[in-house]
Amino acid sequence: AQTVTQSQPEMSVQEAETVTLSCTYDTSESDYYLFWYKQPPSRQMILVIRQEAYKQQNATENRFSVNFQKAAKSFSLKISDSQLGDAAMYFCAYRSLIQGAQKLVFGQGTRLTINP
Amino acid sequence: GAVVSQHPSWVICKSGTSVKIECRSLDFQATTMFWYRQFPKQSLMLMATSNEGSKATYEQGVEKDKFLINHASLTLSTLTVTSAHPEDSSFYICSARDLVGLATEQYFGPGTRLTVT
Repeated sequence: AQTVTQSQPEMSVQEAETVTLSCTYDTSESDYYLFWYKQPPSRQMILVIRQEAYKQQNATENRFSVNFQKAAKSFSLKISDSQLGDAAMYFCAYRSLIQGAQKLVFGQGTRLTINP
Repeated sequence: GAVVSQHPSWVICKSGTSVKIECRSLDFQATTMFWYRQFPKQSLMLMATSNEGSKATYEQGVEKDKFLINHASLTLSTLTVTSAHPEDSSFYICSARDLVGLATEQYFGPGTRLTVT
């Protein structure tokens, strides 16, 4: 079974600075999806960024980018120019491409605090 | 974008009663819906996966007779917590997967806070 590990329960960063959240995963599959979700105090889950494992290019969405290291099974999220609205729980998630295996496997989460 | 709603957003019930939570995909058809449970300061724990018109698949350790899931249409799934007890108090989140093609996204509802007294 796949597992996702986020080793940083909490992180903090000064506003406008850059922060990197770590995520590692374990799988025997070669093709899969990886995601970063944000859960603000409202608790609404928001998709931040998605990476297809077959793509070598790292995904980027505005101030959010990932460092996907397939061989190392690492998938870190970099947030540039941090803003107060970025404060939230961040969850890394894995999804298999195998037909019928549609569920997301979540990491434990990292609570990100933005210091003004 | 795709929207998933949940109703109610917050419910309080007495121990021993049952409570139903609805999950609706508002602007797309969802063949598959997922139900999660989240304890304070913890991650989401998948409870079950439901496919329209068929029985739900429950994760190991989740009591199917206690957490009844019905996915009667492509836009509605319900979770009924039967004979609720205080330990069932939690935050319940549903998500839905778009019907079209190999859509990778799961769209999440805003969650339902259940308090059992």
